[in-house]
Amino acid sequence: KAGVTQTPRYLIKTRGQQVTLSCSPISGHRSVSWYQQTPGQGLQFLFEYFSETQRNKGNFPGRFSGRQFSNSRSEMNVSTLELGDSALYLCASSLATGYNSPLHFGNGTRLTVT
Amino acid sequence: GESVGLHLPTLSVQEGDNSIINCAYSNSASDYFIWYKQESGKGPQFIIDIRSNMDKRQGQRVTVLLNKTVKHLSLQIAATQPGDSAVYFCAENQMDGGATNKLIFGTGTLLAVQP
Repeated sequence: KAGVTQTPRYLIKTRGQQVTLSCSPISGHRSVSWYQQTPGQGLQFLFEYFSETQRNKGNFPGRFSGRQFSNSRSEMNVSTLELGDSALYLCASSLATGYNSPLHFGNGTRLTVT
Repeated sequence: GESVGLHLPTLSVQEGDNSIINCAYSNSASDYFIWYKQESGKGPQFIIDIRSNMDKRQGQRVTVLLNKTVKHLSLQIAATQPGDSAVYFCAENQMDGGATNKLIFGTGTLLAVQP
């Protein structure tokens, strides 16, 4: 079974631009979550979707948004990019929410903002 | 590959030895815990999980111990191999009846296996 697929693998953007990252979950998984990873802050929760509904949101500004489609694929968008948005963005999927349904991560999209 | 965490605590072990990686979690209400392994250039890989109604859970070559009294988790790796070299993260989830997959991650420990 294919794992979580994230595209693109690398992105370079300039300040003020916007970016859209894409995630295809493991087949059959209905829950998708996004995390930001930086050397300074570690892994931080962005948002979580289940059946096209945002279930939970982390402590990030409104410039960070996301959505989930009916086929469980998800996208996240960052508008008006800042230098501090440079990070590895990780998508994870699980069958559902709950015990015995751990998150499985993709290899991430490395975003560099210049 | 990319570097994950430039100033992580490091555990250096000899190949074949057992490794113990420790983690202190923050929320006494957390009731589900997961260990992940992250290799350079890759996303975190699920290793093992444990619910708060358990003290110990074993997998293949790995054991997780949970001490709720002191809010402490440990991951034991038996017969450590060079392929075990990676950053290890513990994560906690206040499941609140199973309503969320929001994880709070620890800072990570770099395991370096010496041949």
